[in-house]
Amino acid sequence: EVQLVQSGAEVKKSGESLNISCEGFGYSFSRFWIAWVRQMPGKGLEWMGVIYPGDSETRYSPYFQGQVTISVDKSVNTAYLQWSTLKASDTAIYYCARQDGAERTMDVWGKGTTVTVSS
Amino acid sequence: DIQMIQSPPSLSASVGDRVTITCRASLSLSYFLHWYQCRPGKAPKLLIYGGFNLQSGVPSRFSGSGSGSEFTLTISSLQPEDSATYYCQQSHSTPYTFGQGTKLEI
Repeated sequence: EVQLVQSGAEVKKSGESLNISCEGFGYSFSRFWIAWVRQMPGKGLEWMGVIYPGDSETRYSPYFQGQVTISVDKSVNTAYLQWSTLKASDTAIYYCARQDGAERTMDVWGKGTTVTVSS
Repeated sequence: DIQMIQSPPSLSASVGDRVTITCRASLSLSYFLHWYQCRPGKAPKLLIYGGFNLQSGVPSRFSGSGSGSEFTLTISSLQPEDSATYYCQQSHSTPYTFGQGTKLEI
């Protein structure tokens, strides 16, 4: 079964760093882009950026550029979303999704990682 | 960035009804427009890709149409499990922006 398994919920304090993960199973991980999507409490979906595991090419939304780092370790089929300095406004659910095909659809999603940042 | 405007923001309907959600883009997307369903506590689910293609496993009561800058998602014969928020998303150019969502209550 094709699936993306995300790391568990995190509770952190402002100013701390954080690294959440997304591991792919059941497909050739290096051949599909992995996107990250944010959903703040009570709000809609926001596309943060995407990475190609084959060569680590990364594209960020201008809003998230410099705020987070997207990385990948294809040897363990895992993509990462990292913060060096968390803020309370980073409180959200973060989804990873596989980006498939010529239309660049997100066809397989992880279950999400809830990040709670207290001030 | 390409702006995506969905309408209506919310709607209420009954089991068996037919509903339509519209998505307008700030420029032509060709067919790089997709629809997702979000239910509380669940991961988003791809329903329609490329404007009108039904994702495998999605019930046939879901359909998409349109091209260019205006698209619609239609759900015929609503079922209770269709209660969710629906988002359009463009993948024409990065950042791949979403619409603000349409909350459907049944």
